[in-house]
Amino acid sequence: NAGVMQNPRHLVRRRGQEARLRCSPMKGHSHVYWYRQLPEEGLKFMVYLQKENIIDESGMPKERFSAEFPKEGPSILRIQQVVRGDSAAYFCASSPYTQGLNAEAFFGQGTRLTVV
Amino acid sequence: AQSVTQPDIHITVSEGASLELRCNYSYGATPYLFWYVQSPGQGLQLLLKYFSGDTLVQGIKGFEAEFKRSQSSFNLRKPSVHWSDAAEYFCAVGAGSSYKLIFGSGTRLLVRP
Repeated sequence: NAGVMQNPRHLVRRRGQEARLRCSPMKGHSHVYWYRQLPEEGLKFMVYLQKENIIDESGMPKERFSAEFPKEGPSILRIQQVVRGDSAAYFCASSPYTQGLNAEAFFGQGTRLTVV
Repeated sequence: AQSVTQPDIHITVSEGASLELRCNYSYGATPYLFWYVQSPGQGLQLLLKYFSGDTLVQGIKGFEAEFKRSQSSFNLRKPSVHWSDAAEYFCAVGAGSSYKLIFGSGTRLLVRP
């Protein structure tokens, strides 16, 4: 059973371009979480999705950022018109149901986004 | 606002020595508490978690952590460190939610042979 797969591992974009980060959850997991880690900081929650539903997007910037988790295929975190401040590591995690006492979220290796 | 503080950015210990990594949180009620480890190039792996009950929690790889409400702390301990424990360790808090975690900035552990 493969773990949480994120691709690409490294992504370089010029200012103003779009960045698409993909996350394939573990087999049997229908809950996905995205976190962002800025340099020298801890991970910060961005969004929690279930298949075809956004459950909690309270950590998402209001503009330029969007996330989806379609019925088929990976979850996508999309950043439009990237700026230098978007440079960070983006981590995805998945769980079989809501992470909690009885469900652990497993993290991927992250995508390192660099905006030049 | 809720926050998590890991006061030590780097810690170096000798192999076989004991280890304690500090974590303090700021939250009005009892939070959900987690410790994760991240090896180079890897994702985060859950070491242990505390939701309620016994304040001394046992985790994987010989780690344990103790929740101290009076000190708002959840320090991670290991009695004898192995070279393979060298990694970055993150403390996290679920404040009002078990899934929306607030992470500390991490402590990088170096192990001397």
